[in-house]
Amino acid sequence: KNEVEQSPQNLTAQEGEFITINCSYSVGISALHWLQQHPGGGIVSLFMLSSGKKKHGRLIATINIQEKHSSLHITASHPRDSAVYICAGYSGGGADGLTFGKGTHLIIQP
Amino acid sequence: SAVISQKPSRDICQRGTSLTIQCQVDSQVTMMFWYRQQPGQSLTLIATANQGSEATYESGFVIDKFPISRPNLTFSTLTVSNMSPEDSSIYLCSVRGGSNQPQHFGDGTRLSIL
Repeated sequence: KNEVEQSPQNLTAQEGEFITINCSYSVGISALHWLQQHPGGGIVSLFMLSSGKKKHGRLIATINIQEKHSSLHITASHPRDSAVYICAGYSGGGADGLTFGKGTHLIIQP
Repeated sequence: SAVISQKPSRDICQRGTSLTIQCQVDSQVTMMFWYRQQPGQSLTLIATANQGSEATYESGFVIDKFPISRPNLTFSTLTVSNMSPEDSSIYLCSVRGGSNQPQHFGDGTRLSIL
């Protein structure tokens, strides 16, 4: 059974801080999605990566295949970054091939 | 990436009624899914919407409760039938271009049952 574990579950930080959210996953997962869910419920796909590192604006995602670990970093955090961040492992098994983490609830205070 | 329009964005419904949620994609997509997210929980896959044929449901979800249509490669509907308070959730449409492609989600429908 595929598993995805996220940490921390909740994170509150001050504006401008460097944020790191971690995701560990089980054998069988070949790629990781990082998703951002806004308070209204909509989900934005941030990254899909199977190796190395990807960057978009202030967001950076890394993955270490040997350690089965991925991190999402936010530089110069801003209150508008406040959201739930979800990592989802893709294994190719099952209908959608995805196993979702429980999410990290991030609050950036001004 | 695909742009997904989901309607309605939210609704408050009476017990025993049904609601149909629409999902429109701006391009043809191979794979389309419907998810449910109960309060404080992660996403749970309801079914895969198959173009021109019956949807494929996950364990715990049945067609009579969640009928799904997908008449073409850009549109699908999910109906939540005979609603009860336990159906209060966010329902999300999601698409993917292929097996190992990024997955994209709609803005969700926040459903409350009184």
